[in-house]
Amino acid sequence: QQQVKQSPQSLIVQKGGISIINCAYENTAFDYFPWYQQFPGKGPALLIAIRPDVSEKKEGRFTISFNKSAKQFSLHIMDSQPGDSATYFCAASDSGSARQLTFGSGTQLTVLP
Amino acid sequence: DAGVIQSPRHEVTEMGQEVTLRCKPISGHNSLFWYRQTMMRGLELLIYFNNNVPIDDSGMPEDRFSAKMPNASFSTLKIQPSEPRDSAVYFCASSRGTSYNEQFFGPGTRLTVL
Repeated sequence: QQQVKQSPQSLIVQKGGISIINCAYENTAFDYFPWYQQFPGKGPALLIAIRPDVSEKKEGRFTISFNKSAKQFSLHIMDSQPGDSATYFCAASDSGSARQLTFGSGTQLTVLP
Repeated sequence: DAGVIQSPRHEVTEMGQEVTLRCKPISGHNSLFWYRQTMMRGLELLIYFNNNVPIDDSGMPEDRFSAKMPNASFSTLKIQPSEPRDSAVYFCASSRGTSYNEQFFGPGTRLTVL
């Protein structure tokens, strides 16, 4: 079964700190790795995504690091803010029809003021 | 654009009743996905459509669940009969369905089956 394993399940960080969430996958056919952010009562929304032809992608305070040989990727949130408190999901897809996403189990991030 | 629209936002029903959840995807998107989210199982893909045709329904938990997409602007997810274990938040998402395209999620329907 295609799986994406995500850790930790929950994370508490002080304001200004670095939040790091890790994901690992098994299916080598995966070629697209997005991260989704979900606030309470809302649907998930795309935060940032990476393709395996690069090892890192940065957008503002958010960075994805990708290690193809280890089949791992991670989300780094620099200078974490209370407004970043949300649930974060990693996901992966291959080039199949409609690019079906396989989601990780989610990480509940709390940034303390 | 109004985004993905789901209705109702909240549904409370009694065990055994039929429940119908509705979704209007973003105009121009040709892929539509139904997900279920629970604390125990996380975000699960139930079924997805491409150009109104069901492509993969392997995530539908039981025959009590059915989904239709009669046209490009409307889809339904039906549960008949409903059971308490069906209580969850159900999301609909749509995308252009081509390479690397973002899935846009609706606000979800919170279903409670008593």
